[in-house]
Amino acid sequence: DVKVTQSSRYLVKRTGEKVFLECVQDMDHENMFWYRQDPGLGLRLIYFSYDVKMKEKGDIPEGYSVSREKKERFSLILESASTNQTSMYLCASSGNYEQYFGPGTRLTVT
Amino acid sequence: DQQVKQNSPSLSVQEGRISILNCDYTNSMFDYFLWYKKYPAEGPTFLISISSIKDKNEDGRFTVFLNKSAKHLSLHIVPSQPGDSAVYFCAASARYGGSQGNLIFGKGTKLSVKP
Repeated sequence: DVKVTQSSRYLVKRTGEKVFLECVQDMDHENMFWYRQDPGLGLRLIYFSYDVKMKEKGDIPEGYSVSREKKERFSLILESASTNQTSMYLCASSGNYEQYFGPGTRLTVT
Repeated sequence: DQQVKQNSPSLSVQEGRISILNCDYTNSMFDYFLWYKKYPAEGPTFLISISSIKDKNEDGRFTVFLNKSAKHLSLHIVPSQPGDSAVYFCAASARYGGSQGNLIFGKGTKLSVKP
């Protein structure tokens, strides 16, 4: 079974802090994705990566950056957290077209 | 502009009856469609998919129907069970359109199955 893990299930940070969200997959997938989920807005793509060192902006990249130094690991960085970044963050990986998701990180910025 | 639309934010069904979740899309380049199920505080899990060369795909209690001319797909759950209560997301991909496997998600439909 594909396993995608995220470093934290719940996180509380203060406005202005730098936040790192880590994601690791164990299926040797080329593609990895970061989404946020908000009520009534569905899943919105923040960034994605098709290979190590590669990254592409999704639909809502503002305020975020990513890092992919190893194939199995994809990190999402909030350079200076703001209250409007309070959300559920979901990481996914895929080899073809089915994306497999991690359990999510519920981030609260106060 | 939403390319994948789930027009019903919620649906309530009695246990044992059929649940029908609908999804419409606008991009004619989409050729692969997926349904995901999401429980609160968990990540979405892949449920079932269908390629545009088919009009139906079944997996146990779950069947997905695709009507390409209407750009419409639906997920049927028969019989519905209380454990099916979750948010269901429809997603689409243009496999040969340069998107390299990116999925476009709808906003989701919250299904409640009442005992």
